[in-house]
Amino acid sequence: AQSVSQHNHHVILSEAASLELGCNYSYGGTVNLFWYVQYPGQHLQLLLKYFSGDPLVKGIKGFEAEFIKSKFSFNLRKPSVQWSDTAEYFCAVNAQNNAGNMLTFGGGTRLMVKP
Amino acid sequence: NAGVTQTPKFRVLKTGQSMTLLCAQDMNHEYMYWYRQDPGMGLRLIHYSVGEGTTAKGEVPDGYNVSRLKKQNFLLGLESAAPSQTSVYFCASTYTWGNEQFFGPGTRLTVL
Repeated sequence: AQSVSQHNHHVILSEAASLELGCNYSYGGTVNLFWYVQYPGQHLQLLLKYFSGDPLVKGIKGFEAEFIKSKFSFNLRKPSVQWSDTAEYFCAVNAQNNAGNMLTFGGGTRLMVKP
Repeated sequence: NAGVTQTPKFRVLKTGQSMTLLCAQDMNHEYMYWYRQDPGMGLRLIHYSVGEGTTAKGEVPDGYNVSRLKKQNFLLGLESAAPSQTSVYFCASTYTWGNEQFFGPGTRLTVL
């Protein structure tokens, strides 16, 4: 079975600092990869996704992620965070032999940006 | 276009009571999902459906049942609630295999 690890559970940054959140998955086959964001009191929203092609994916609000197949990683980055980026971030994986189109989520990283 | 909606938003139950959570989507999506979210554990899949009239178990199905009698609705039932089922429940849907899932606003359930 596939699994997803997010090693940073809590991250605190000051505004304008750079962000990198780690995501590693365990699955030997082809995968689709996602980052979702959950702002306080809200539902999950898609930040970006990778299906194929260029391993550097750009998403909304200045976020990007890089798929490194050899490292089974899909780390999320942002060059300069804002207070409004305070949220919980989830990495998710969908294995391409998965008939139910099920997502496996990591445990989440809670980001706090200090003004 | 309301997307994915969930009712109720909040509920408090006593141990042993039953309830049904309703998820509705107006996007004509085939696939629908129920997750629970607990601190530090991300979202875990309870049950899912790949089309009207079909359901299947996810990672944590025990204590829950589901039904998908209409394509747009996916119901999650708790027959005899337990304190371990205190959680936030999210419904999601997607239109085709491999694509992003769209999430509802969640239901916060407390079982005393």
